Amino acid sequence: LAKTTQPISMDSYEGQEVNITCSHNNIATNDYITWYQQFPSQGPRFIIQGYKTKVTNEVASLFIPADRKSSTLSLPRVSLSDTAVYYCLVGDGPSNTGKLIFGQGTTLQVKP
Amino acid sequence: GAVVSQHPSWVICKSGTSVKIECRSLDFQATTMFWYRQFPKQSLMLMATSNEGSKATYEQGVEKDKFLINHASLTLSTLTVTSAHPEDSSFYICSARDRRQGIHEQFFGPGTRLTVL
Repeated sequence: LAKTTQPISMDSYEGQEVNITCSHNNIATNDYITWYQQFPSQGPRFIIQGYKTKVTNEVASLFIPADRKSSTLSLPRVSLSDTAVYYCLVGDGPSNTGKLIFGQGTTLQVKP
Repeated sequence: GAVVSQHPSWVICKSGTSVKIECRSLDFQATTMFWYRQFPKQSLMLMATSNEGSKATYEQGVEKDKFLINHASLTLSTLTVTSAHPEDSSFYICSARDRRQGIHEQFFGPGTRLTVL
């Protein structure tokens, strides 16, 4: 399974756009990229998933360059409630086992 | 989205006793479920893959005789921590893969806080 690298922590202010970049140099052809959010003492919550180019849903956008060796999660206009740990994972593609290996994650602190 | 539940949400037990944690997929069938453990301020660590109707696959370093996993039906997997000790105190989380969705999203349970005295 491909290893991922993300910044350990980030700070932002309410209303700002936050971009968290993840590198996954050894991503396999059939790997998808998935981002999860986790609040303290809760299970991770799915945010967004993509394979290539750009994916957007009601809460975030995911940008994936052509070489797929990195990805950027974009959170528009964050609020205090977006303070959480964000995990980037690769490997949960249709033909994969579903096994996910979590990295350190990025702790996002949103300030008023 | 699909829902995964865990029971109990927290449990306190004495050292040497066994504790069973249930993971259920409420509105979908999951042939594969996963069990994670998370210590404070750390990331999730995959413990094992639970396969319906067959033996679980354990990650390296995880004692299969201590952490018994049973996946008896398509909606239920159980993790039993046998002869629990204080160092087993942790946050245990399960996940299940919903293949119906098309994007192969995994859904995580809310977690179970285990405290061994």
